[in-house]
Amino acid sequence: EADIYQTPRYLVIGTGKKITLECSQTMGHDKMYWYQQDPGMELHLIHYSYGVNSTEKGDLSSESTVSRIRTEHFPLTLESARPSHTSQYLCASTRTGRGYTFGSGTRLTVV
Amino acid sequence: AQSVTQLDSQVPVFEEAPVELRCNYSSSVSVYLFWYVQYPNQGLQLLLKYLSGSTLVESINGFEAEFNKSQTSFHLRKPSVHISDTAEYFCAVSDPNNDMRFGAGTRLTVKP
Repeated sequence: EADIYQTPRYLVIGTGKKITLECSQTMGHDKMYWYQQDPGMELHLIHYSYGVNSTEKGDLSSESTVSRIRTEHFPLTLESARPSHTSQYLCASTRTGRGYTFGSGTRLTVV
Repeated sequence: AQSVTQLDSQVPVFEEAPVELRCNYSSSVSVYLFWYVQYPNQGLQLLLKYLSGSTLVESINGFEAEFNKSQTSFHLRKPSVHISDTAEYFCAVSDPNNDMRFGAGTRLTVKP
């Protein structure tokens, strides 16, 4: 039973469109993360948050933005999608350093 | 800061053979260690973790990993693999005050 939810699971969208990928968790975790991952490749941290109104950029430069208005919700937004944004996006959360819980991911294709 | 190195990017193995996926880490402080598994088009699932205590940890599906502090390793092993074990495996390290660092992943392919 998933405690962290990502929607949509799959998204095909045209170039230039604005999109928001949703991530919600029901565990009360303070820390949340967004990773970008190409198929079969390593994870790249693009954004993270340590709590409400706290957001930081990760190791990989990204044209996306995030917000953290509520503890349970950490959406990621692309203002203008491009083919180079085609990838899988994974959301994760944790309370301490004792392991992350991951969502099922959103596979984005920009055509 | 910690770092993780997974020594093999791909490991092909025949069904029912043993397998070892290698992971080394570096850290100046005490660490927690993890193995995650990722099936195609899925997120990462926690396979097993070492937080403290016994250095040998086991998962419910027959995998085990041993924390070796002197060799800074946390290799994942299974004595007999199944086709269903085919997946990407990620080693990760963290401590209570820092975020998790992931290795680049090892693709395990089990052949019939």
